[in-house]
Amino acid sequence: QLQLQESGPGLVKPSETLSLTCTVSGGSISTYSYYWGWIRQPPGKGLEWIGNVYFSGSTNYNPSLKSRVIISVDTSKNQFSLKLRSVTATDTALYYCARHVGESHAFEMWGQGTMVNVSP
Amino acid sequence: QSALTQPASVSGSPGQSITISCTGTSSDVGNYNLVSWYQQHPGKAPKLMIYEVAKRPSGVSNRFSGSKSGNTASLTISGLQAEDEADYYCYSYVGSSAFYVFGTGTKVTVL
Repeated sequence: QLQLQESGPGLVKPSETLSLTCTVSGGSISTYSYYWGWIRQPPGKGLEWIGNVYFSGSTNYNPSLKSRVIISVDTSKNQFSLKLRSVTATDTALYYCARHVGESHAFEMWGQGTMVNVSP
Repeated sequence: QSALTQPASVSGSPGQSITISCTGTSSDVGNYNLVSWYQQHPGKAPKLMIYEVAKRPSGVSNRFSGSKSGNTASLTISGLQAEDEADYYCYSYVGSSAFYVFGTGTKVTVL
């Protein structure tokens, strides 16, 4: 049974870099046709797509976040990561990692999410 | 790329059918059959309910169905049950410039 688990600091200071890792277990991250994505949800608000990465390292980003985001993959550890620089309070959110099916362009499996607060 | 437009809330009585709309433009929803729908209960991660407009993943109740007409995709829940009370989001591929966008979300209330 594939599982995804987010990890990282729950508190980040303004102007610093938010760093999260998603560990994939029960399956290989290097599987053809599957992308791996990050989605966030500010408290009480809706979902926002951040970006996806393929095991080759190819990425797609939300244009509104592209200048601050890097998503990378480490196939040796079966992990992928999110870095969001120059954070502000508006980046406070529940961050989810998920598996994105290439052909259907849908997130078929999600992690439980990890809350990140941006505060001094 | 703006979020796809959904009604903020939809309600229905047990046993009834409800429909949630997801409106985009001819450049996104209207141009691709790549709309998916997610159910999110409070405090839980979203769950895929429909993909490619109308396909249901294994294990999802056949009370959930999807469709699309023009620039609007729809999720219909038939035989509404108390457990269907949740937030629902649409999500679509919108092309190679912006790639993907979620809908604004709809809160479904079972009366």
